[in-house]
Amino acid sequence: DAGVIQSPRHEVTEMGQEVTLRCKPISGHDYLFWYRQTMMRGLELLIYFNNNVPIDDSGMPEDRFSAKMPNASFSTLKIQPSEPRDSAVYFCASSLLGQRGEQYFGPGTRLTVT
Amino acid sequence: ILNVEQSPQSLHVQEGDSTNFTCSFPSSNFYALHWYRWETAKSPEALFVMTLNGDEKKKGRISATLNTKEGYSYLYIKGSQPEDSATYLCAFELDSSYKLIFGSGTRLLVRP
Repeated sequence: DAGVIQSPRHEVTEMGQEVTLRCKPISGHDYLFWYRQTMMRGLELLIYFNNNVPIDDSGMPEDRFSAKMPNASFSTLKIQPSEPRDSAVYFCASSLLGQRGEQYFGPGTRLTVT
Repeated sequence: ILNVEQSPQSLHVQEGDSTNFTCSFPSSNFYALHWYRWETAKSPEALFVMTLNGDEKKKGRISATLNTKEGYSYLYIKGSQPEDSATYLCAFELDSSYKLIFGSGTRLLVRP
């Protein structure tokens, strides 16, 4: 298996632009997580899905952030409009019910908003 | 606010030294404690998950213990090697929610 795939790996955009981050979980995994990594706050959970349904989005910072999982093999995290304080590394992870604790992380997307 | 604290923030040891670090977490609403290893320029990788008070887990030279009553876990590395250099993260799982609250990590550097 190729592991969790994220795209793009790096994104540089201007303030006010829409940004879409993409994730393909490991095939067969039924949980998908979006995290944000910053120096100030460390690794924070933004939202997670089970069987494509959002379960907990309490970590989503504000209405500018939205996430979807239209099917079992694809999820997006969208920021609209983007702001410089959104600059961070965004990780997607997936896991399988019954393999608790084994969250497999993707390589991350480094987002820079200028 | 649920707080997960790790100490020390960073640690430099010589190859061959044994070392340990600490993760402190809330003792209420506990479901599981996770340890992850995060090498520079890579992604976090799961090491252990522990759920029961007194649990001990081992993988090669790395082991971990859990005390849920007092809210701490120790990670031990025996005979550190340069390839052990990484950031070690612990994460508290709340109430069987699959929601992980991560500590800020301990950055370990092992000098050859």
